[in-house]
Amino acid sequence: EVQLLESGGGLVQPGGSLRLSCSASGFTFTSYAMSWLRQAPGKGLEWISVSSVSARATYYADSVKGRFTISRDNSKNTLYLQMNSLRVEDTAVYYCAKDTGSGAIVPQSFDQWGQGTLVTVSS
Amino acid sequence: AIQLTQSPSSLSASVGDTVTISCRSSHGISGSLAWYHQIPGKPPRLLVYDGSSLPSGVPSRFSGSGFGTDFTLTINSLQPEDFGTYFCQQCNNYPLTFGPGTKVDVK
Repeated sequence: EVQLLESGGGLVQPGGSLRLSCSASGFTFTSYAMSWLRQAPGKGLEWISVSSVSARATYYADSVKGRFTISRDNSKNTLYLQMNSLRVEDTAVYYCAKDTGSGAIVPQSFDQWGQGTLVTVSS
Repeated sequence: AIQLTQSPSSLSASVGDTVTISCRSSHGISGSLAWYHQIPGKPPRLLVYDGSSLPSGVPSRFSGSGFGTDFTLTINSLQPEDFGTYFCQQCNNYPLTFGPGTKVDVK
């Protein structure tokens, strides 16, 4: 059974930093690009970033570019999101998700999602 | 970035009804569209990918169609577990973007 388990969320002040983790199991982590997405309370879905299998290729949404960094440790089957210079508008549930298809980093859908971790940015 | 619009934004339906939700893209995206269903407090669940393909485990009452800029999700014989919000997502290029959602509730 595929499992994605996010952790690291919490309350942080504006301008602060947080690192999220996503522990993956039940599939060959080293065969899939992985993404982070978020959903503000009562709002829609926003894709944030994707990492290729090797992490040599990454893409970001403009809303987080220069502030957030995606990375992965394939030896630990874990995906990370380092979030710096956090803003109130970054408050959301953050999900990690697995690409539907394996291999190269190409835009595609997500067939597995974690349960999410809540990040609240507030003073 | 490619923008997606959905219609209607909400609808009321009864168990057994056929429901149709539309998604329109600001740019042509060939067949690169996915549909998701979300229940409050839960992550989205993939229903359709590549415009019309169903992942393993998704009931056949769900179907997707369309190409280019106009897409449709059809739910035949709506079941109690189908209520919630439906989102479309373009898979044509980065940044990946989602539609604003269509909320389906009980009539």
